[in-house]
Amino acid sequence: GENVEQHPSTLSVQEGDSAVIKCTYSDSASNYFPWYKQELGKGPQLIIDIRSNVGEKKDQRIAVTLNKTAKHFSLHITETQPEDSAVYFCAAAGQGTYKYIFGTGTRLKVLA
Amino acid sequence: DAGITQSPRHKVTETGTPVTLRCHQTENHRYMYWYRQDPGHGLRLIHYSYGVKDTDKGEVSDGYSVSRSKTEDFLLTLESATSSQTSVYFCAISPGTGDGYTFGSGTRLTVV
Repeated sequence: GENVEQHPSTLSVQEGDSAVIKCTYSDSASNYFPWYKQELGKGPQLIIDIRSNVGEKKDQRIAVTLNKTAKHFSLHITETQPEDSAVYFCAAAGQGTYKYIFGTGTRLKVLA
Repeated sequence: DAGITQSPRHKVTETGTPVTLRCHQTENHRYMYWYRQDPGHGLRLIHYSYGVKDTDKGEVSDGYSVSRSKTEDFLLTLESATSSQTSVYFCAISPGTGDGYTFGSGTRLTVV
């Protein structure tokens, strides 16, 4: 069935370093790829998204890249700060579908 | 979370009792969703709604029912709670398919 694999499950980086989280999807019809950040005790919050007609998107220190041929997409966080510590989820969805498939999450720890 | 409220935030209930969780939105979004979040499983879709009185099942719908009598309210009912339904439940809204979700703050449900 449709699946989204997310790696790594945990990631520790020093403050100021970069962090990269990778997701692979199985449904070639997927065309929308959002990323969510979840802080402790809160609901996930959309931080960036990308559609299949774009290869890369940036928003300040956050960027997402998409490789449709390989069916994977990645979240890049540069100059990490302690407030970036959270759980990050990727997701994939097909056009016109309610059906988002979420990855299992990456717990990012930024060490001061 | 702005525009979406879940209640209650925490609930402890006994096995075999019915439980209703409420999601209320002020964004007038068409789509509303119920997810459960469990360690190692990420976010899994229980039910969703694409309009008033229009609902459909997600991947883990057994033991759950939903109702949407008004645009702003989406109710999730556990017909006869079981320990396997101990989880954190999130409601989400979106203006359309292929759009990012806004999540509520979640309801932590414990079935004893």
